[in-house]
Amino acid sequence: AQKITQTQPGMFVQEKEAVTLDCTYDTSDQSYGLFWYKQPSSGEMIFLIYQGSYDEQNATEGRYSLNFQKARKSANLVISASQLGDSAMYFCAMRVYRLTGGGNKLTFGTGTQLKVEL
Amino acid sequence: NAGVTQTPKFQVLKTGQSMTLQCAQDMNHEYMSWYRQDPGMGLRLIHYSVGAGITDQGEVPNGYNVSRSTTEDFPLRLLSAAPSQTSVYFCASSYSVGTTYEQYFGPGTRLTVT
Repeated sequence: AQKITQTQPGMFVQEKEAVTLDCTYDTSDQSYGLFWYKQPSSGEMIFLIYQGSYDEQNATEGRYSLNFQKARKSANLVISASQLGDSAMYFCAMRVYRLTGGGNKLTFGTGTQLKVEL
Repeated sequence: NAGVTQTPKFQVLKTGQSMTLQCAQDMNHEYMSWYRQDPGMGLRLIHYSVGAGITDQGEVPNGYNVSRSTTEDFPLRLLSAAPSQTSVYFCASSYSVGTTYEQYFGPGTRLTVT
């Protein structure tokens, strides 16, 4: 079974600073993908960034980057130059791919509530 | 392009009542799924479908039924509502069963069972 662990229930960061949100995962599968989603107070789920298990480079999307350390099974999200609008809940998720089935299921962590302060 | 739509946005049920949460997508995605979100527990998979006519159980399927008669629609049925089913429900869809495609989420349905 797959498991995602986010050990930081809440984080504070000052505006314009960088922040790292931790995510560790557990799977015995070799082929998998790691995702980060943002959930603002309005409730919608917004896809931020994706990292494949075979990708050699860390993923980046604008101010978001994913620090992927495969041997440590970690996939931390780094947000550079934090903005007030970054205040939200952030979820790490994983999907495994198997030829014999298992589909497209996403396994989520419990989330980290980020608050950006002036 | 509407993406993933869910109705209703809010619903209050009494214990024992049944209802159907509607989900539709217009992106021709093969894969659709239902999650519930409870405080401190992230999102948990209820049921999913890899195509019309094919459904399977997720992590927390008890008390819920699904069917997939068309590619576009994936309704979730609560058979006999219980207070433990008070939650926010998200429907999601994506292409294929590969790992590279992100799931697109609907806006959610907030359900309260009294």
